Amino acid sequence: DAGVTQSPTHLIKTRGQQVTLRCSPKSGHDTVSWYQQALGQGPQFIFQYYEEEERQRGNFPDRFSGHQFPNYSSELNVNALLLGDSALYLCASSFTGSNTEAFFGQGTRLTVV
Amino acid sequence: SQELEQSPQSLIVQEGKNLTINCTSSKTLYGLYWYKQKYGEGLIFLMMLQKGGEEKSHEKITAKLDEKKQQSSLHITASQPSHAGIYLCGADLNTGTASKLTFGTGTRLQVTL
Repeated sequence: DAGVTQSPTHLIKTRGQQVTLRCSPKSGHDTVSWYQQALGQGPQFIFQYYEEEERQRGNFPDRFSGHQFPNYSSELNVNALLLGDSALYLCASSFTGSNTEAFFGQGTRLTVV
Repeated sequence: SQELEQSPQSLIVQEGKNLTINCTSSKTLYGLYWYKQKYGEGLIFLMMLQKGGEEKSHEKITAKLDEKKQQSSLHITASQPSHAGIYLCGADLNTGTASKLTFGTGTRLQVTL
């Protein structure tokens, strides 16, 4: 049983460009959350998708957008990249409902130059 | 100020020694998650605690939740080099559904021979 998988593992982009990161949730999970982790910090919640809709959103600008597909996989899009967007982007999947565990993928390391 | 405070920020222990990491919330805890992270990698799920007084163990790691104090502790017995890494506590401060986790800044553990 594959856990949460993310692609790509590493990415280098130029300021102003756009980037798309992808996540496949753990089998049986229907909810995908995205987090940004800056160096030396804990992960910060970006948003969460359930039933193909954004259910919750953290304190991130509209440049950050996402999508969830019918197979529960998800994409994170970031437009007009800034140097400060350089971080490890983590995807977490869970099954909606109480008493659920959240499992994380290996992350995508984004470097903006 | 951080909603979740972890202490200590870093820890160096000799192999075989016991250690404790604390996580304190400024808000009501609906769920408390412990993860381990190797540098630059994804988060490995350790344990989830949801009820006051709950205590869970896995191999040599024990986590407890004190709901009244809004605090959790992670205790490692007879530490080994494989325990080295960054330990992160994450809390659901809203609904108890792992819908949006708030993380501490982590505790960096080094285990010396």
